[in-house]
Amino acid sequence: GNSVTQMEGPVTLSEEAFLTINCTYTATGYPSLFWYVQYPGEGLQLLLKATKADDKGSNKGFEATYRKETTSFHLEKGSVQVSDSAVYFCALENSGGSNYKLTFGKGTLLTVNP
Amino acid sequence: GAVVSQHPSWVICKSGTSVKIECRSLDFQATTMFWYRQFPKQSLMLMATSNEGSKATYEQGVEKDKFLINHASLTLSTLTVTSAHPEDSSFYICSAPTWGTQYFGPGTRLTVL
Repeated sequence: GNSVTQMEGPVTLSEEAFLTINCTYTATGYPSLFWYVQYPGEGLQLLLKATKADDKGSNKGFEATYRKETTSFHLEKGSVQVSDSAVYFCALENSGGSNYKLTFGKGTLLTVNP
Repeated sequence: GAVVSQHPSWVICKSGTSVKIECRSLDFQATTMFWYRQFPKQSLMLMATSNEGSKATYEQGVEKDKFLINHASLTLSTLTVTSAHPEDSSFYICSAPTWGTQYFGPGTRLTVL
């Protein structure tokens, strides 16, 4: 079956530090990969996505590259801000008939200090 | 972007009572919606797929008689937690897809006393 494994948190960084949150997956076929972000007190929001191998998703300074050879989709940002403090979820959608059904990782809490 | 709302945002109820949670797609139609449960510091667990005009599809281990889902229109799905018990206390989240992207509601915090 499908599964997503992401880096255990919490992660605490100082403002302007480099961020990496690791994510690896197991899936049959050719899944689409996502990063969702959940700010305190809010619902999940799509941060970025990639639908095929070697695609790079990017948004708000965050990037992740779909690596089929390593089954990974690591999230990176060169310089984090306090406002990036949130929980980040890696997810996959196996479009082989499941029609938008998402499998999530456990989430990584990021805290950025001024 | 598309907007999905949930109501109520939080609810407290007594053990043994039933609670209904609404999920609405505000600016698009959704023939399919999803219901998730999120435990503290844990991931979202898919509970069921809500299908407009037909029965919901439940994930393994989810009691369909306890978590009743109704998708009566293209913009509304409801989740009813029947005979709620303290172990049903959780954060319930719905989502709906449009144009290849899932949009999530803000969640409903259920506390059963």
